[in-house]
Amino acid sequence: DVKVTQSSRYLVKRTGEKVFLECVQDMDHENMFWYRQDPGLGLRLIYFSYDVKMKEKGDIPEGYSVSREKKERFSLILESASTNQTSMYLCASSLGGTGNTEAFFGQGTRLTVV
Amino acid sequence: AQTVTQSQPEMSVQEAETVTLSCTYDTSENNYYLFWYKQPPSRQMILVIRQEAYKQQNATENRFSVNFQKAAKSFSLKISDSQLGDTAMYFCAFMNNNAGNMLTFGGGTRLMVKP
Repeated sequence: DVKVTQSSRYLVKRTGEKVFLECVQDMDHENMFWYRQDPGLGLRLIYFSYDVKMKEKGDIPEGYSVSREKKERFSLILESASTNQTSMYLCASSLGGTGNTEAFFGQGTRLTVV
Repeated sequence: AQTVTQSQPEMSVQEAETVTLSCTYDTSENNYYLFWYKQPPSRQMILVIRQEAYKQQNATENRFSVNFQKAAKSFSLKISDSQLGDTAMYFCAFMNNNAGNMLTFGGGTRLMVKP
């Protein structure tokens, strides 16, 4: 089974802190994604990556950055956390290529910024 | 840009009954996929069913089936013989086949199956 692991299920951080959310997948997937989930808004794409050291902005990248130094690991960074970044963050991966469309998700990190 | 709309924020159904969740989308693309994902209280998002836009036949997976109306840009999910374990958030999602594996999600429908 594909496994996508997020380092924390719950985090509480203070305003202005630098926050790292870590995600690791164990199936050699090419593609990795960070989504933010808010009630009524569904999931919105923050950043994605198709390869090591490669990153592309999604729909809501402001206030976030990412790092993919190794194929299996994709980190989301909040440079200076703000209260409006309180949310659920979901990491996902997919194999990539024609027909390989299924995304596999981690269990999410519920981040609270106080 | 694509948009996905789920007009039913919450629904409930009696165990063993059938329920249909609605989804509409807007796109100018012709080559795409549509999905329904389930997120139970454990928060683990899992794929329920997938539909390729070029296929006219509606996808089915056991008790789950879709009604895909391409011209109307409608993609509803029918759950037959509802079970307590079907209680979850359900998300409709769109993927443009020409733009990688990025998903555009609807706002979700919270489904409660009552005993």
